[in-house]
Amino acid sequence: DVKVTQSSRYLVKRTGEKVFLECVQDMDHENMFWYRQDPGLGLRLIYFSYDVKMKEKGDIPEGYSVSREKKERFSLILESASTNQTSMYLCASTAEENNEQFFGPGTRLTVL
Amino acid sequence: DAKTTQPTSMDCAEGRAANLPCNHSTISGNEYVYWYRQIHSQGPQYIIHGLKNNETNEMASLIITEDRKSSTLILPHATLRDTAVYYCIAAAGNTPLVFGKGTRLSVIA
Repeated sequence: DVKVTQSSRYLVKRTGEKVFLECVQDMDHENMFWYRQDPGLGLRLIYFSYDVKMKEKGDIPEGYSVSREKKERFSLILESASTNQTSMYLCASTAEENNEQFFGPGTRLTVL
Repeated sequence: DAKTTQPTSMDCAEGRAANLPCNHSTISGNEYVYWYRQIHSQGPQYIIHGLKNNETNEMASLIITEDRKSSTLILPHATLRDTAVYYCIAAAGNTPLVFGKGTRLSVIA
């Protein structure tokens, strides 16, 4: 059974903390994506990666960075968490030349 | 990516077919039509996609008009578990998907 896993379902952090959200896929997919989802705003793309050590900015990259050191793992980093980064974060992956995205269960992050 | 337009919400009686429309009048020749759904508190789930021809799988059927300016997702026998937000997206093969607001489908017993 194909799977995208995210490190935490729920996370509470304080303003100014450095936050790591981890995503791992076991499908040998080339492409990986990070979205955030907020009520009334839908899913918005933060960053994506088409290959190891490669990253591309999505629609809302400000305040975030990413790391892809291994094909199966794509990390989202909040260098200094702020309250407006409280959100549901969703990771997804696809095979090359394909947009059948497989999503993880999401991490609900609260920044106090 | 081409913009898509979907109704905000729809109701469907359990056991009946749910027909979800989508307009994508500016779709390019190399853009596919993708459908995803998101059940409350879960990540989106891929349903089906197509380019020109109608498609069917175990979950749904996708009917694309000949001019490709609109499409309809059909759930042949809707169940309560099909209650979700359904997203229609037009995108080329490997470009990131842009999720709009989708259609909130409520299946009613």
